Amino acid sequence: ETGVTQTPRHLVMGMTNKKSLKCEQHLGHNAMYWYKQSAKKPLELMFVYNFKEQTENNSVPSRFSPECPNSSHLFLHLHTLQPEDSALYLCASSRDRLADSSGANVLTFGAGSRLTVL
Amino acid sequence: DAKTTQPPSMDCAEGRAANLPCNHSTISGNEYVYWYRQIHSQGPQYIIHGLKNNETNEMASLIITEDRKSSTLILPHATLRDTAVYYCIAVWAGTASKLTFGTGTRLQVTL
Repeated sequence: ETGVTQTPRHLVMGMTNKKSLKCEQHLGHNAMYWYKQSAKKPLELMFVYNFKEQTENNSVPSRFSPECPNSSHLFLHLHTLQPEDSALYLCASSRDRLADSSGANVLTFGAGSRLTVL
Repeated sequence: DAKTTQPPSMDCAEGRAANLPCNHSTISGNEYVYWYRQIHSQGPQYIIHGLKNNETNEMASLIITEDRKSSTLILPHATLRDTAVYYCIAVWAGTASKLTFGTGTRLQVTL
């Protein structure tokens, strides 16, 4: 248990479906992130939220819609996805978006939601 | 953030020290070196970070060269559970949240 919980762990959806991924953290962190990891590719940062406000959108297509209702919860709403969107979607949190005086800004990741788009 | 270069794969016998190198020759003075690892199909896990001094924690040691152009992560007594992809990341403290993961080093620990 890392303190960051992602549900569902596995999701299969058709291209016309609408689904959502959920992330919850119990660490008292103020920043939350969505990363995407496609097969044989490095992790890609998608979105960053700090105190519920989106601070980073890394040119993510609009078929991915994030929502951060509070500092503990983060959602990724999925709509009309493509098969190439199949990937492991990872949520992470950190105390703040910026590092502290020691240079530390440790991200705690969840176990991920593995998405397959048919 | 400075680019980092790591060997794609390494092997290590169980019980021996695993020394994972990382080159970051263009690192600037205010960029930290972070190490994370990702065990198969799990989220990445923070290991250690440093600026210029060597660092040690319960998981590993980080040795940074005096010119800061390279570093080595040391797992003193590798176990099979240390088999993972290890990522070395150079990041400015002001944007330490925006980690850019490369392809890392796949460490295989064998009996």
